[in-house]
Amino acid sequence: GENVEQHPSTLSVQEGDSAVIKCTYSDSASNYFPWYKQELGKRPQLIIDIRSNVGEKKDQRIAVTLNKTAKHFSLHITETQPEDSAVYFCAAPGGGADGLTFGKGTHLIIQP
Amino acid sequence: KAGVTQTPRYLIKTRGQQVTLSCSPISGHRSVSWYQQTPGQGLQFLFEYFSETQRNKGNFPGRFSGRQFSNSRSEMNVSTLELGDSALYLCASSLVGTAFNEKLFFGSGTQLSVL
Repeated sequence: GENVEQHPSTLSVQEGDSAVIKCTYSDSASNYFPWYKQELGKRPQLIIDIRSNVGEKKDQRIAVTLNKTAKHFSLHITETQPEDSAVYFCAAPGGGADGLTFGKGTHLIIQP
Repeated sequence: KAGVTQTPRYLIKTRGQQVTLSCSPISGHRSVSWYQQTPGQGLQFLFEYFSETQRNKGNFPGRFSGRQFSNSRSEMNVSTLELGDSALYLCASSLVGTAFNEKLFFGSGTQLSVL
């Protein structure tokens, strides 16, 4: 089945700086890579996703890059703001009967 | 359109008991998947249902089971509860399922505490 590793587990950045979260996956057949954001006490919500036929996708301050050869993808947040503080999860589709496999999450802390 | 609804919001049980959690998907969504969330392990996939059939199953013991009804509502059951089953159980719905690389809409979860 799919194995998704996510780093770092905790990331603290100054407000206004950039944040980068990285994930690696094991199944070369995976073709869809979503990122979910979970604010404290709230449900996870999709913030951006990328499919394997593109290398980069942007949505305002958020971007995701994909390197299929190296089997890793990254979330980039620029000009971080207090409301970016949350836990971020990457995911990849599991092979066969594994459903969607999530990374263990990154707790992003925005320091004022 | 109403979001994904999970009931109850909180549950406290003792070891050895069983529990049933409920999930009502967004209207029109036919796929429901379940995840266990714990601080150390993140989100772990339990199972996915589509049109009353289990489509996928994660690596959990047989004490964890589920079903889906004709109106797409889903329930999951945990029998013979263990302390390690304490977690937030999230369900997510989508139109036709994760195999089609769809956006998942999560419920607020059921926080289960096993004493």
